[in-house]
Amino acid sequence: SQKIEQNSEALNIQEGKTATLTCNYTNYSPAYLQWYRQDPGRGPVFLLLIRENEKEKRKERLKVTFDTTLKQSLFHITASQPADSATYLCALPTGGYNKLIFGAGTRLAVHP
Amino acid sequence: KAGVTQTPRYLIKTRGQQVTLSCSPISGHRSVSWYQQTPGQGLQFLFEYFSETQRNKGNFPGRFSGRQFSNSRSEMNVSTLELGDSALYLCASSLDGQSSYEQYFGPGTRLTVT
Repeated sequence: SQKIEQNSEALNIQEGKTATLTCNYTNYSPAYLQWYRQDPGRGPVFLLLIRENEKEKRKERLKVTFDTTLKQSLFHITASQPADSATYLCALPTGGYNKLIFGAGTRLAVHP
Repeated sequence: KAGVTQTPRYLIKTRGQQVTLSCSPISGHRSVSWYQQTPGQGLQFLFEYFSETQRNKGNFPGRFSGRQFSNSRSEMNVSTLELGDSALYLCASSLDGQSSYEQYFGPGTRLTVT
């Protein structure tokens, strides 16, 4: 069955450093992959979408890569700030336009 | 534009009761999806409605149902509540899911079943 794995442990980094989060998937060939941010007690917020024919996508301090051979996406936040502290989720479509499966999320903590 | 709104924000019910949750999508969005989020299972897809029709369905029992109205507002219903139904229920809207894939989530309804 389709499976998505994200680092289950929290990622602690120092302010100003680059945070790198990993999303791996198996038994699957998605047409695109999405990244969301979720703060405690709130709904996820869409950040970036990358399609299978794109290797890299950038938005301000965010960068996403998508390696369909490795079945992996990397999510980078450069010059990280304490305000970037949140849980980051990757999501893939499965069997339908808006039918997404989500990874468990990686909690990022950026320390001053 | 106003974001996705969900009511109520918090709900406490007793096992065996039923509950109805409401979602108003972003104006112009025709697709509404529902998700259940729990600490153990994470975010799980329940179903999606588009133009008043259920277009996709997740692996949840028939106790979970939904509907969409002509103005795209959606409701989901859970009958015969079980303790394991305690979760954050999230609704997400998108334009149509065919040309635009971003989903915009509401704040969620926190359901506690006692």
